[in-house]
Amino acid sequence: GAVVSQHPSRVICKSGTSVKIECRSLDFQATTMFWYRQFPKQSLMLMATSNEGSKATYEQGVEKDKFLINHASLTLSTLTVTSAHPEDSSFYICSASVGSYEQYFGPGTRLTVT
Amino acid sequence: GDSVTQMEGPVTLSEEAFLTINCTYTATGYPSLFWYVQYPGEGLQLLLKATKADDKGSNKGFEATYRKETTSFHLEKGSVQVSDSAVYFCALSEGAGKSTFGDGTTLTVKP
Repeated sequence: GAVVSQHPSRVICKSGTSVKIECRSLDFQATTMFWYRQFPKQSLMLMATSNEGSKATYEQGVEKDKFLINHASLTLSTLTVTSAHPEDSSFYICSASVGSYEQYFGPGTRLTVT
Repeated sequence: GDSVTQMEGPVTLSEEAFLTINCTYTATGYPSLFWYVQYPGEGLQLLLKATKADDKGSNKGFEATYRKETTSFHLEKGSVQVSDSAVYFCALSEGAGKSTFGDGTTLTVKP
């Protein structure tokens, strides 16, 4: 089946630093990748939609300068949290789609900002 | 816009009990419907799906039927196990891979 990986699975960083999270589709080429944020005991909040070779489309209320998304190839998208602060601590999940109705989710990245 | 409303949790059941988690939706078109499961500290796994009205999705003893007339996609399992304890998300997609999720229902099964 379609597999999506994320790296790292957990990261702890100091306030003010930047963190990059990678999302890879391992056995298929994804036309679109999505980035979600999940707070404890809450649902997934879509942050942005990313298509290979074009700028990401951000959801309302998501700061594009803070959450930089790069989709360099059909198998890789990255999310960089710039100048991270404790309120950015969260579980970040990516998913990949091949243009159909179905998404394949990564295992998530737990970000803790101290 | 599209929306998904799930039965509020948490839900606590004894092992071998019958499970129902309600899910209703609103959509402008004819969406595909999904149930995802999330175990602690992990991402989402697709549990089952249905792409058109009257389709029944099933997997690992779980079932859900796409009911267009009631705009529902309730999740059921006849006999739950402790290992089914997780958070369950109902979702819909109207294409291009983008999905709308419900708030999730936490299920705890006690031995």
